[in-house]
Amino acid sequence: AQTVTQSQPEMSVQEAETVTLSCTYDTSESNYYLFWYKQPPSRQMILVIRQEAYKQQNATENRFSVNFQKAAKSFSLKISDSQLGDTAMYFCAFMKHGSGNTGKLIFGQGTTLQVKP
Amino acid sequence: GAVVSQHPSRVICKSGTSVKIECRSLDFQATTMFWYRQFPKQSLMLMATSNEGSKATYEQGVEKDKFLINHASLTLSTLTVTSAHPEDSSFYICSAPRSDSISSYEQYFGPGTRLTVT
Repeated sequence: AQTVTQSQPEMSVQEAETVTLSCTYDTSESNYYLFWYKQPPSRQMILVIRQEAYKQQNATENRFSVNFQKAAKSFSLKISDSQLGDTAMYFCAFMKHGSGNTGKLIFGQGTTLQVKP
Repeated sequence: GAVVSQHPSRVICKSGTSVKIECRSLDFQATTMFWYRQFPKQSLMLMATSNEGSKATYEQGVEKDKFLINHASLTLSTLTVTSAHPEDSSFYICSAPRSDSISSYEQYFGPGTRLTVT
């Protein structure tokens, strides 16, 4: 069975600074997706960034980038130039890829990020 | 991007009554939809996988007779909380995966439904 662990329940960062959220996972699968989702106070889940496990290059989306270490099963999210609108709960998630893929996501516990002015 | 809607966004019901929550994929067909439950400041807990035209698959510990799921069409799944009790009060979220190609996968979430049982 797959598990996803976020060991930082809460974090804070000053506006314009950089923050890194940690995520580790455990799986015996070789082909999978990893995601970071953002859940702001509205509670709408928003996809921040996605990484395919077979890709060695780390995914980036504007101010958001990941450090994907497949051997270490680590998938951290770096937010650069933090903005007040980044205040939210962030979830790391895992999904199998390939013939056994049902679209089922396994979520970590979440990290609440507070961006301070 | 694709849109998934949920209705209602908020509902208050009395203990012992049943409540139905709808999840619709507005601009794509979804053969599979997922239902999650989320308590305040906690993660999303998968309750069940809704399969179009067949029975839902429930996660361990979820009462299938209490949480009835129907996926009658390629764009609509419903979750009915039967004989609701205060402990069923929670935030319920649905999602629908969309696969455009082997190398691309996206999952879309509804805005959620806040259920309060009094």
